[in-house]
Amino acid sequence: DARVTQTPRDKVTEMGQEVTMRCQPILGHNTVFWYRQTMMQGLELLAYFRNRAPLDDSGMPKDRFSAEMPDATLATLKIQPSEPRDSAVYFCASGLAEKTRDSNTGELFFGEGSRLTVL
Amino acid sequence: KQEVTQIPAALSVPEGENLVLNCSFTDSAIYNLQWFRQDPGKGLTSLLLIQSSQREQTSGRLNASLDKSSGRSTLYIAASQPGDSATYLCAVKDSGAGSYQLTFGKGTKLSVIP
Repeated sequence: DARVTQTPRDKVTEMGQEVTMRCQPILGHNTVFWYRQTMMQGLELLAYFRNRAPLDDSGMPKDRFSAEMPDATLATLKIQPSEPRDSAVYFCASGLAEKTRDSNTGELFFGEGSRLTVL
Repeated sequence: KQEVTQIPAALSVPEGENLVLNCSFTDSAIYNLQWFRQDPGKGLTSLLLIQSSQREQTSGRLNASLDKSSGRSTLYIAASQPGDSATYLCAVKDSGAGSYQLTFGKGTKLSVIP
């Protein structure tokens, strides 16, 4: 049963600490998204990768957030230094983009999320 | 900028009732629309995907319709069960060249009372 896998599921840390969240997309998918979910804002796009290349990270605070895809099976989202306002659930999602268009054609599959609490 | 609205924010119905969840979007130039289910503390599970050329999709007791011209989609749940209790989100993908991201609504929290 193919699924997007995220670690850690839960993370409690203190302000100023570095946090790294990891995502294993579904094998064969060539697009990866990072979303953040809060009660107030709902789901917000943080970053988008296609074929491991970052195409959009405009949703991320550049001074503290960074997203990478070291290889096709791993995407990372790092926060350094973390702040209380970063507390949220972070979701990774993967999908398959069309070969002829620079866009997703089909469904987006989400992981279970990483719940981050920054004290 | 695309905006997606889901009304009501919460809905409570007795078990067995048929129900409709609503989703509206401001820009009718969409590529597809996807309905998701989210259980507390869990990720989003894709329920139905409707391409812009389609009018509806069905899966079991679920039926999703799409009216692009009016900017609306509905998710119909037949014979609701307590296990259907969850938050339902709709998301649209715009059709512009190079468009890739989904714009999500805030969701409708459904409670099915036994």
